[in-house]
Amino acid sequence: GDSVTQMEGPVTLSEEAFLTINCTYTATGYPSLFWYVQYPGEGLQLLLKATKADDKGSNKGFEATYRKETTSFHLEKGSVQVSDSAVYFCARTLSGGYQKVTFGIGTKLQVIP
Amino acid sequence: GAVVSQHPSWVICKSGTSVKIECRSLDFQATTMFWYRQFPKQSLMLMATSNEGSKATYEQGVEKDKFLINHASLTLSTLTVTSAHPEDSSFYICSARETGSFGNEQFFGPGTRLTVL
Repeated sequence: GDSVTQMEGPVTLSEEAFLTINCTYTATGYPSLFWYVQYPGEGLQLLLKATKADDKGSNKGFEATYRKETTSFHLEKGSVQVSDSAVYFCARTLSGGYQKVTFGIGTKLQVIP
Repeated sequence: GAVVSQHPSWVICKSGTSVKIECRSLDFQATTMFWYRQFPKQSLMLMATSNEGSKATYEQGVEKDKFLINHASLTLSTLTVTSAHPEDSSFYICSARETGSFGNEQFFGPGTRLTVL
């Protein structure tokens, strides 16, 4: 079925470190892929998205590339800040209906000064 | 940006009672809203798709008589957990798609923590 798998956290990094959060998806249909972020006490917010193979989504210094050959959509940032501390969810649209989205487990990122 | 609110943010109730959770789109109209459930250290699980003016569409394994959804207006959907039991304790999150949008972005509410004693 349609699913995404992402690394479990928590991930703890020092400020200005390089971030990678891995995400892979099942190769069913032609999904759109997303990264959502949930800051403490807030709802999920769309961070970036990609709708087809080789697309690169980017926002706030974060990037992720839709890799069909490896069915991956890894999230990267070159230099994290304390304000990036949050839970990050990888997600994909479902094959049966583009409106529906299925999420990964979420990865908690903690950035320390 | 598009804002979605949920009320209440947390609720504690006794077993056997019913609890209603509201989801509102504050600055846009939403023909379609979604209800999710999240267990600790687990992913969001889609429970149902709420359609304004029509019946909700439930995902496999979700009891429609247990989780009543009403989407009576373009800005409000409600989820009622009927005869709640401790196993219904969870974090319930709603999201909304803006009416007429061609993209598949969903705007999420902050969630409601339900604890059933």
